[in-house]
Parts: sequence; structure tokens; C-alpha cells
Amino acid sequence: QVQVVQSGAEVKKPGASVKVSCKASGYNFIDYGISWVRQAPGQGLEWMGWISAYNGDTHFAQNFQGRVTLTRDTSTSTAYMELRSLEPDDTAVYYCVREAAYGDYIVFYYWGQGTLVTVSS
Amino acid sequence: DIQMTQSPSSLSASVGDRVTITCRASQSISNFLNWYQQKPGKAPNLLIYAASSLQSGVPSRFSGSGSGTDFTLTISSLQPEDFATYYCQQNYNVPRTLPRTFGQGTKLEIK
Repeated sequence: QVQVVQSGAEVKKPGASVKVSCKASGYNFIDYGISWVRQAPGQGLEWMGWISAYNGDTHFAQNFQGRVTLTRDTSTSTAYMELRSLEPDDTAVYYCVREAAYGDYIVFYYWGQGTLVTVSS
Repeated sequence: DIQMTQSPSSLSASVGDRVTITCRASQSISNFLNWYQQKPGKAPNLLIYAASSLQSGVPSRFSGSGSGTDFTLTISSLQPEDFATYYCQQNYNVPRTLPRTFGQGTKLEIK
């Protein structure tokens, strides 16, 4: 069965960077894109960006352009999200999501367990 | 980027009530609209895709409708397990990599 397992919680100081990993299993990794979504405490879902596991193409939400890097390693079926210049407002749970397609319709079906990133001095 | 606006942001209702949540897109997205349910401490769960198609395993009391810019999620008879936060999400597929924007969420609370 499809599984998406993320790396553990992180505590960072303002100005630092964080890199979260997302290891997928149970399917052919290159067949599906992966999105990253974050959720600040008590807040809603915020889509950050997407990476094609096939060719590494990326697309980002405007709020994260220039501050987020998405990469993937097809040899280990792992996707990565790096967020730079961290601020306290970046404190959130970060989810990776393996997309699924119902014909032309993209859905977020397989969610990782979430990685809590805390930014504090 | 396409903006998604949900209303209301919170809603109090009782078990057995019929509730409707609305979602409006800033431009036409045809029927490329998903609905998710999220409970505290958990990842979201897909309820509805393509605006009105019920995800397998989701109770039939959930339904979705709409096209273009205006969409609704209806729960016909609230059950205790339905008290949660609901999000709409656009996945307009032209081109494929457009942002997968979420609405800001609707928190459904027990009255």
C-alpha cells in the first residue's frame, strides 16, 4: 500500500534553514507529483508548491517563491522541501502529499504524517 | 493565482441538522474543486472531488455541487463525527501546475 513518511520534528532559530524529507513507498515514485502544504498552529492549510517526481519540474505559490526549494531523489523515492530564512511565523506542521489523479482531476489523497517545524530564538 | 473564499468561517450546528458550506473561486475553475475534512491533529481527508463526486468510503450524507466559481458542500444530517474543519481546494488543470489553492476553512462546531 502507498505510504508517505516524513522526517521528524525540527527546532530552528530565526534566519536558519530547514530541510524536511518525505519518503514514499508502495508505488512507482516517478508516476505522481508531490505537493507540500503547511498549517500554522490553529490556522488553515496553505499550499506551498509542487514537484514532478518524474522530471523534477517545480511550481510554487507566490508567497514562497525564492524561499523554498523542492527536490527529489528517485533512487530513494524521497522528496525534500527546504525552507530558508526562517521566521517565527514559519512555525507550522509541514505536510507532503502524494497526489492522485481521477482522470483530469487531481486530489490530495496520500498525506504524510506531518513534520512540526518550530522557529524560535 | 486563483483565490478561494469559503463561508462561513465557523458554524455552530446540532446533530441531525442540515448544513451547507460555500466556496467561491476568484475565476472560473469549471468543476475542478475538492472538499476535505480535517480533525484536530490529523491530516485532511478527501470527501468530494470534481465538485460533486463522492470519494469512496465517504458517507452519502456528504454531497457537493457547483460549477464555475460557486460551490457548496452539504451535510444532510450531521453526525457527531462530522464536527471538524472543512476545506475546499481548486485543482484547475489548465495548465496542470497551477497552484492547488485551499480555502481558508470552515470550522463546524457543536451547538
